[in-house]
Amino acid sequence: GAVVSQHPSRVICKSGTSVKIECRSLDFQATTMFWYRQFPKQSLMLMATSNEGSKATYEQGVEKDKFLINHASLTLSTLTVTSAHPEDSSFYICSALAGPETQYFGPGTRLLVL
Amino acid sequence: GESVGLHLPTLSVQEGDNSIINCAYSNSASDYFIWYKQESGKGPQFIIDIRSNMDKRQGQRVTVLLNKTVKHLSLQIAATQPGDSAVYFCAELGTSGTYKYIFGTGTRLKVLA
Repeated sequence: GAVVSQHPSRVICKSGTSVKIECRSLDFQATTMFWYRQFPKQSLMLMATSNEGSKATYEQGVEKDKFLINHASLTLSTLTVTSAHPEDSSFYICSALAGPETQYFGPGTRLLVL
Repeated sequence: GESVGLHLPTLSVQEGDNSIINCAYSNSASDYFIWYKQESGKGPQFIIDIRSNMDKRQGQRVTVLLNKTVKHLSLQIAATQPGDSAVYFCAELGTSGTYKYIFGTGTRLKVLA
C-alpha cells in the first residue's frame, strides 16, 4: 500500500517556540492532505485540509494563524505550530488523499510543549 | 465485557474468542465507511471498508456489518489474538464533496491471555 511519512516522530519544545511537522507521500502524489490532532484516549479530530497550490481550509475552532499549513509540492505538506503552549501538546497525524475515498495515514508526531 | 472509560470505551475479550466492536455513525447520507486499527503511538491502520450498497463484507478474520436503518456499523474479529489489542475507530466519508473522514469515538480492545 501507499506510504505516508511524518517527521519528526517526536518533538519536545519550550513554550513560545514554533515547531514544524512534515508530512510526505512517498510513492504517490497528493494534491490534498489532511491534518488531525488526537488527545490521549480520544478520537482523531480533523484540523484542516491542506491543498497543493492553494490555501488550507481550517475546521471550525482551529486557529489558522496558530497552525500554519503549507502544501509546497504534490508530496509534501507542513504544519507549523506557532508560539506553542503546553495545551498544544498532542499527537498530530496527517493523511494523504490517494483517491476520492482513500486516505493513507502517517505514523503521527508526538508534540510535547514544556 | 464492555465498560466506558473517561473517553474511550473498552472491550475485553479472551484470546481465541470473537470480538464485536460497534460504532454509530452520524450521517444517513454517508456512503462509504472504514474501520481503522490504531496501536499506541502509531497512526491509524486500514482494516476493512464497506459501501452503503452492501450490508456485509468479509476480510481475513474480520467482518464488517452495516445497518443503515439505525446508522450502525460493527466490526467482528474472529479468533481474537493478542496482536489485535489496539484502539479501533470507524470512519465515514463525509458527503460534502471535500473527501473528509469523520471518525467515531473509538473502542479499546483488550485481549486477555
